[in-house]
Amino acid sequence: AQKVTQAQTEISVVEKEDVTLDCVYETRDTTYYLFWYKQPPSGELVFLIRRNSFDEQNEISGRYSWNFQKSTSSFNFTITASQVVDSAVYFCALSESNLKIQGAQKLVFGQGTRLTINP
Amino acid sequence: AAGVIQSPRHLIKEKRETATLKCYPIPRHDTVYWYQQGPGQDPQFLISFYEKMQSDKGSIPDRFSAQQFSDYHSELNMSSLELGDSALYFCASSTSGGPNTDTQYFGPGTRLTVL
Repeated sequence: AQKVTQAQTEISVVEKEDVTLDCVYETRDTTYYLFWYKQPPSGELVFLIRRNSFDEQNEISGRYSWNFQKSTSSFNFTITASQVVDSAVYFCALSESNLKIQGAQKLVFGQGTRLTINP
Repeated sequence: AAGVIQSPRHLIKEKRETATLKCYPIPRHDTVYWYQQGPGQDPQFLISFYEKMQSDKGSIPDRFSAQQFSDYHSELNMSSLELGDSALYFCASSTSGGPNTDTQYFGPGTRLTVL
């Protein structure tokens, strides 16, 4: 069965510090997707990134970067020079491929990491 | 760009009442999903539809039902509401074609409070 673990329940840092959010996943599939979503205090879920299981290339988008390592089943997320607006709950999620099901597969979320950036 | 639309945004019901939540997916998206997020919890998958047919089912109570209509909008019907049904209900949609294949984009959610 698939499982996502975000061991860090809460993180609090001072503005401009770098912060890394950890995500470890379990799956028996060889083909799967990994995602990060941001949930600000307003409550919506904002898509940040998707990674295919066959693409281990790390990605950088502005102050955000992601490190995907299949060898350790991890997909970590780093925010560089954090800002107060980065304060939110961040969810890591996994979806497997299932040829028996039409369309994309359900997301299995981790428990979320509440990130607080203090001014 | 158009996003997923959910209505209503807030809903207050009494125990044992019925509620209907609506979702309008992003145009040309072929799959719709429903998730339930309790306070302080991660979102839990309820049910999904691909091209108007139910494609997968999660931990959705028998009191809940959902469908997708010919215009691709979806409705989640909840009957005999219980206090424990109070949660944020998300709808998401995705497409099976293009560069963002299978990425789920979420609506703003409907916050249901059962009194």
